[in-house]
Amino acid sequence: EIVLTQSPTTMAASPGEKVTLTCRASSSVSYMHWYQQRSGTSPKLWIYETSKLASGVPNRFSGSGSGTSYSLTINSMETEDAATYYCQQGSSYPPTFGSGTKLEIK
Amino acid sequence: QVTLKESGPGILQPSQTLSLTCSFSGFSLSTSGICVSWIRQPSGKGLEWLATICWEDSKGYNPSLKNRLTISKDTSNNQAFLKITSVDTADTAIYYCARRTYSGDFDYWGQGVMVTVSS
Repeated sequence: EIVLTQSPTTMAASPGEKVTLTCRASSSVSYMHWYQQRSGTSPKLWIYETSKLASGVPNRFSGSGSGTSYSLTINSMETEDAATYYCQQGSSYPPTFGSGTKLEIK
Repeated sequence: QVTLKESGPGILQPSQTLSLTCSFSGFSLSTSGICVSWIRQPSGKGLEWLATICWEDSKGYNPSLKNRLTISKDTSNNQAFLKITSVDTADTAIYYCARRTYSGDFDYWGQGVMVTVSS
């Protein structure tokens, strides 16, 4: 099983600040997917196949990476971006999720 | 418009069997490439993939729970099901069903159903 390690576990950012969340895999994966989960709601697909934005996701978000190292970047933090973000790999069985990064607004 | 909705018993006792239903619309489990998965989330914790069933009836299970899980589908009625045997308090969680895409991501999720295991 591929273990995904997300960092940081928790962070706070000010409006307008650039934010980078990272996800490291214990073995190489083909793609990384990212989900946003706001409190009390279901996860939403946010970025798929490493760098493709899901429908309706603002273009201040971007994703990158390859092999064992991936990241999600917010170019300019906004209040609505406060949420928990999970990475997920589906290229190796079984599918696994990272433990999440909780992003708060300062 | 793709929607999924989970239903379940709400509360059950340890050692019982948990039966969950995912009712969906906007796609068909008879369409090539389509799969439905179950994922759970204990309160305040992360996401755990449980099982997946695909259009050609292939199935995959989380190895850590494999002996306790059974996934099935009713293509005609646009439903997928999950049974978990011998539940205990560690199975208390929100259970989600989600559509899985060809690249392995989960593009649509249900609202989730809370399941509590308690004596």
